[in-house]
Amino acid sequence: DAKTTQPPSMDCAEGRAANLPCNHSTISGNEYVYWYRQIHSQGPQYIIHGLKNNETNEMASLIITEDRKSSTLILPHATLRDTAVYYCIVRTNNAGNMLTFGGGTRLMVKP
Amino acid sequence: GAGVSQSPSNKVTEKGKDVELRCDPISGHTALYWYRQSLGQGLEFLIYFQGNSAPDKSGLPSDRFSAERTGGSVSTLTIQRTQQEDSAVYLCASRKSTGTGLLNEQFFGPGTRLTVL
Repeated sequence: DAKTTQPPSMDCAEGRAANLPCNHSTISGNEYVYWYRQIHSQGPQYIIHGLKNNETNEMASLIITEDRKSSTLILPHATLRDTAVYYCIVRTNNAGNMLTFGGGTRLMVKP
Repeated sequence: GAGVSQSPSNKVTEKGKDVELRCDPISGHTALYWYRQSLGQGLEFLIYFQGNSAPDKSGLPSDRFSAERTGGSVSTLTIQRTQQEDSAVYLCASRKSTGTGLLNEQFFGPGTRLTVL
């Protein structure tokens, strides 16, 4: 997996948008950007992924820069239950890929 | 439907003992992964099963670790002669293998917290 860089921690007020950045300057053309999160004492949970276009689903939006060297995960209305460690990884979309997480960003949503 | 389940949720053992950790993947998922996560660390890949193919064991840290998957469903991770450094959360994930170019996110179980005294 290509290396990603994320801030170790961030705070966000409840109800506000949480914007989590990720740098992946060495991403290859066939690598996707994936986001997972891990709530305390639970297994990682898939959030969203994208290649080059912005993506949105019921959980979040993913904004990928035109040069694909960075991306931002947006939780539009953060709740206390969104407090978790968020992992950004880049990988190909081939069958069989194992996931390798780095340190991630610990997001603390505060009331 | 039911997600990935793992048992036991917690396991405390003494150094030198053998342990078995169980994973029940989502029904119909042909790919199964074992990872471990030490306190405050990211995910470490251990082993990967895909259908009837030979498993990818490249992540197993030593020959004390082994895993099997019976009937293409349930998997057991075995750690022999446990050491204190084996203490970690062991996570299992499954994926519905549908080929390339499609959503292939892995669904994780809640993990087994192993403590070796």
